[in-house]
Amino acid sequence: GAGVSQSPSNKVTEKGKDVELRCDPISGHTALYWYRQSLGQGLEFLIYFQGNSAPDKSGLPSDRFSAERTGGSVSTLTIQRTQQEDSAVYLCASSRDTGNQPQHFGDGTRLSIL
Amino acid sequence: AQRVTQPEKLLSVFKGAPVELKCNYSYSGSPELFWYVQYSRQRLQLLLRHISRESIKGFTADLNKGETSFHLKKPFAQEEDSAMYYCALSLSGAGSYQLTFGKGTKLSVIP
Repeated sequence: GAGVSQSPSNKVTEKGKDVELRCDPISGHTALYWYRQSLGQGLEFLIYFQGNSAPDKSGLPSDRFSAERTGGSVSTLTIQRTQQEDSAVYLCASSRDTGNQPQHFGDGTRLSIL
Repeated sequence: AQRVTQPEKLLSVFKGAPVELKCNYSYSGSPELFWYVQYSRQRLQLLLRHISRESIKGFTADLNKGETSFHLKKPFAQEEDSAMYYCALSLSGAGSYQLTFGKGTKLSVIP
């Protein structure tokens, strides 16, 4: 396919609103990752989906963050009651095999909280 | 906690000159180290892994456990090497998916 697809590419919203970010991984890839990159920082791990197993949510910064992956394919990352510190680029990646490092990244969603 | 340090935010070299992008890590165990690259207007992509001991696009990186370093090297820089480079670490036995990234070094190759 065309690679990992993320939408929207840009999102501007007011503090306190909920946002939903979407990731469409490469077809057939069992592993899906969410990372985020704040300005001037390295990538920060958020969550990892590995096939049908329970996801590793250990990187989610607060209970305002949640993610799901339906049917082993598309994933949505939801941020409730957004705060200004949530502003970042949210990157999704997928890999064919589980347990490995992310290999194919999307273009990311640039989230700006006013 | 593990940490990855890339001391240079920006590195400029002339075409044909050797390149060394520094990466130091702090972790008491045996980590796995990676280099990722993002070219202008392109997506982040995996460049190489230390366990593969591979050379990709002329780049190599050797894990030095004594100095806790994983510097990325290329003997002769090319203009197309200009990009953002990120060093990343994963904890052994924890799965490579949970990477700790450095803040990145922007390499600029001057023609």
